[in-house]
Amino acid sequence: QQQVKQSPQSLIVQKGGISIINCAYENTAFDYFPWYQQFPGKGPALLIAIRPDVSEKKEGRFTISFNKSAKQFSLHIMDSQPGDSATYFCAASWGFQKLVFGTGTRLLVSP
Amino acid sequence: KAGVTQTPRYLIKTRGQQVTLSCSPISGHRSVSWYQQTPGQGLQFLFEYFSETQRNKGNFPGRFSGRQFSNSRSEMNVSTLELGDSALYLCASRLTGESNQPQHFGDGTRLSIL
Repeated sequence: QQQVKQSPQSLIVQKGGISIINCAYENTAFDYFPWYQQFPGKGPALLIAIRPDVSEKKEGRFTISFNKSAKQFSLHIMDSQPGDSATYFCAASWGFQKLVFGTGTRLLVSP
Repeated sequence: KAGVTQTPRYLIKTRGQQVTLSCSPISGHRSVSWYQQTPGQGLQFLFEYFSETQRNKGNFPGRFSGRQFSNSRSEMNVSTLELGDSALYLCASRLTGESNQPQHFGDGTRLSIL
């Protein structure tokens, strides 16, 4: 019940396209859902996060969509660029509990 | 504001040795968490410290331990190293540890066991 399931494992998108990564969770106590971006040789960097009281949050080209009833949330990267090529992790937590991470999605944006 | 700093960046050890990794959180952050990242297992939570006390613990053997100092700096120690301990060890800090606070990661310590 503490798991966060992430898909797809890898994704290839053409430059200018939309990248979509999905996550699903079981624990309804989760109240914070961040997305992290990780480049090789670097630690994960917080990209954008959402609370369950909103259905969508947008920051620049990055949007989180949140479906509380389905217990799913997704990251959309609009106008994907080669510089977006990285591994993306969804995560969830609640209260003072640890962050539970998804297994990661390796995104490659082809020029 | 300086980010999370981890030292050393790279470390090579042999089986049976022990190792200590260090983490300096962002100034003002009192919660420090440690994660192990491997290609096969992804990001796995080791433990979290807040105000020098371990608040959460993951499912790792007792060979993995940590501590936090009064200035919030943290160390983790792995004793009797095994080949399977080869991984990227990440430290992350946040203000007090509540779920809605952003958690910021360092760039990790790459530990290789020969």
